[in-house]
Amino acid sequence: AQSVTQPDIHITVSEGASLELRCNYSYGATPYLFWYVQSPGQGLQLLLKYFSGDTLVQGIKDFEAEFKRSQSSYNLRKPSVHWSDAAEYFCAVGDSGAGSYQLTFGKGTKLSVIP
Amino acid sequence: EPEVTQTPSHQVTQMGQEVILRCVPISNHLYFYWYRQILGQKVEFLVSFYNNEISEKSEIFDDQFSVERPDGSNFTLKIRSTKLEDSAMYFCASSGVGSYEQYFGPGTRLTVT
Repeated sequence: AQSVTQPDIHITVSEGASLELRCNYSYGATPYLFWYVQSPGQGLQLLLKYFSGDTLVQGIKDFEAEFKRSQSSYNLRKPSVHWSDAAEYFCAVGDSGAGSYQLTFGKGTKLSVIP
Repeated sequence: EPEVTQTPSHQVTQMGQEVILRCVPISNHLYFYWYRQILGQKVEFLVSFYNNEISEKSEIFDDQFSVERPDGSNFTLKIRSTKLEDSAMYFCASSGVGSYEQYFGPGTRLTVT
């Protein structure tokens, strides 16, 4: 069965600093990989996805993620964090079934931003 | 921009009562999903639904749970006899044909007392 590990439960960065959130996955085939963000009291917003092709994926709000098959990783990065980026970030792997598929999520990393 | 909507935003019910959580998926999507997130834990898959039937379900989705698409717009999750451990945030999601992107609603917080 697939699984996702986000080793950092909570990260605090200064506004303007760079950010990297780690994600490792376990999946038998080529994975579909996603990053979602959840602001307090809000739903899950899709930030980035990887299905195939270029391993460096650009997303919304200047986020990017890099798929590294050799390391089974899909880390999320941002060059300069803004206070509004404070939220919880979830990495997920998609398990393709018969047309539909289920997402398996990591436990999430809570990002705090200090001025 | 189209979005998934869910009602109610918060539901409080007594143990043993039936609850129905409602979702309106994005209009041209054909795959529908329910997930739940118990406080402090990860988001967990419950069930996927396509062409008026369940495609996949997890071990969590036992006989107490059911899903239905009663009309062309709504997608519901019913819990027949709620337990304390059903207290969680329930998310609905939808995706289009040929798309692997799932779009989530804002969630319904279910509190069982």
